[in-house]
Amino acid sequence: DQQVKQNSPSLSVQEGRISILNCDYTNSMFDYFLWYKKYPAEGPTFLISISSIKDKNEDGRFTVFLNKSAKHLSLHIVPSQPGDSAVYFCAASARKRGSTLGRLYFGRGTQLTVWP
Amino acid sequence: IAGITQAPTSQILAAGRRMTLRCTQDMRHNAMYWYRQDLGLGLRLIHYSNTAGTTGKGEVPDGYSVSRANTDDFPLTLASAVPSQTSVYFCASSETGAQPQHFGDGTRLSIL
Repeated sequence: DQQVKQNSPSLSVQEGRISILNCDYTNSMFDYFLWYKKYPAEGPTFLISISSIKDKNEDGRFTVFLNKSAKHLSLHIVPSQPGDSAVYFCAASARKRGSTLGRLYFGRGTQLTVWP
Repeated sequence: IAGITQAPTSQILAAGRRMTLRCTQDMRHNAMYWYRQDLGLGLRLIHYSNTAGTTGKGEVPDGYSVSRANTDDFPLTLASAVPSQTSVYFCASSETGAQPQHFGDGTRLSIL
């Protein structure tokens, strides 16, 4: 059963506008959430993370929002650039539980296309 | 440049053959991981190692084995390859189990 879900397989946005990528999770023990970006023929690269003690984390053009009650997080990219075109993976971890420490559970990814 | 090196980058293999995918990191990270990525399924954890000398099973461990004889190396072995193991395999590492993972560029494996 998929514990981390990205229900939109693709998203297309015009350059300069906001991109919003969504992610839902089912396991209430998850307390650390990450976004990874992946270009073709490369490995995923870490983008931004958020701990469950926060509801927002910002890094330049990238902001992640966490809604724990809804078990939902989103990644906002403002303004979007053509170089942002990639597959974005949401991931979650239950860092406080010894048996699952560090294990990441990934969503299936969303292909973002930013067009000029 | 520090990072994770995976080898080979791609391989075509006959079913029933044995294959070892290599992974080496030079960041002295304690934790290492193997994932497979399949179209529409995202990344799924095969095996992991929290520290040298220990390993654990992930979501999809069947048909795979790993070893962690030292900090830097974490090879993944397919004892007898089957076509369902056709996938892109990613190795990752993190300083501790609680830190973001860094990924290699993957090995594309095709089993015929």
